[in-house]
Amino acid sequence: SQQGEEDPQALSIQEGENATMNCSYKTSINNLQWYRQNSGRGLVHLILIRSNEREKHSGRLRVTLDTSKKSSSLLITASRAADTASYFCATSGTASKLTFGTGTRLQVTL
Amino acid sequence: DVKVTQSSRYLVKRTGEKVFLECVQDMDHENMFWYRQDPGLGLRLIYFSYDVKMKEKGDIPEGYSVSREKKERFSLILESASTNQTSMYLCASSSSFSGRGEDEQFFGPGTRLTVL
Repeated sequence: SQQGEEDPQALSIQEGENATMNCSYKTSINNLQWYRQNSGRGLVHLILIRSNEREKHSGRLRVTLDTSKKSSSLLITASRAADTASYFCATSGTASKLTFGTGTRLQVTL
Repeated sequence: DVKVTQSSRYLVKRTGEKVFLECVQDMDHENMFWYRQDPGLGLRLIYFSYDVKMKEKGDIPEGYSVSREKKERFSLILESASTNQTSMYLCASSSSFSGRGEDEQFFGPGTRLTVL
């Protein structure tokens, strides 16, 4: 069964603006990961946040996690055209299996 | 540079054919996964393997089987391809180093399979 649902399904912004994507999930998790997928390619891992963490940063990425609301957000600051891609959240229990959401398609225009 | 490779980027098969999708990783990872990706549905897990000769069903195993005879290779088999198996197939691998499910997955480039 699908665990994560991303919102919005699609997002279009201009270069330099911030992009925020949200992920909601249904059951308790050990950690949540975000992945990026360029068109027609495989996924690439961006960042992991553990269930006992509330916020994490990596370069222009900021991830928050609210386990009480079973939700996470990914913020990309100062977006660039090269950030155009689909972004997926993925949740994990204690095993190595991940459950992916449906993804957000981000379009960054010049 | 770590790498997961898939045997084909594009594949066209006919209904009823037996189809083999191959995945090889060079990272000595214990875990390997097969997903299919369809518009609006995200990635759905078909099968995964935690070790050689071990396999476990994912969320949508019907119509598929897998084989893992060597640690680096994980094959997905469509015994009798059907048109509803037209999809993008993604292979991934991960280690079990953390033991807490915190290992990132490394993905191959995907195989776009069309069944006519």
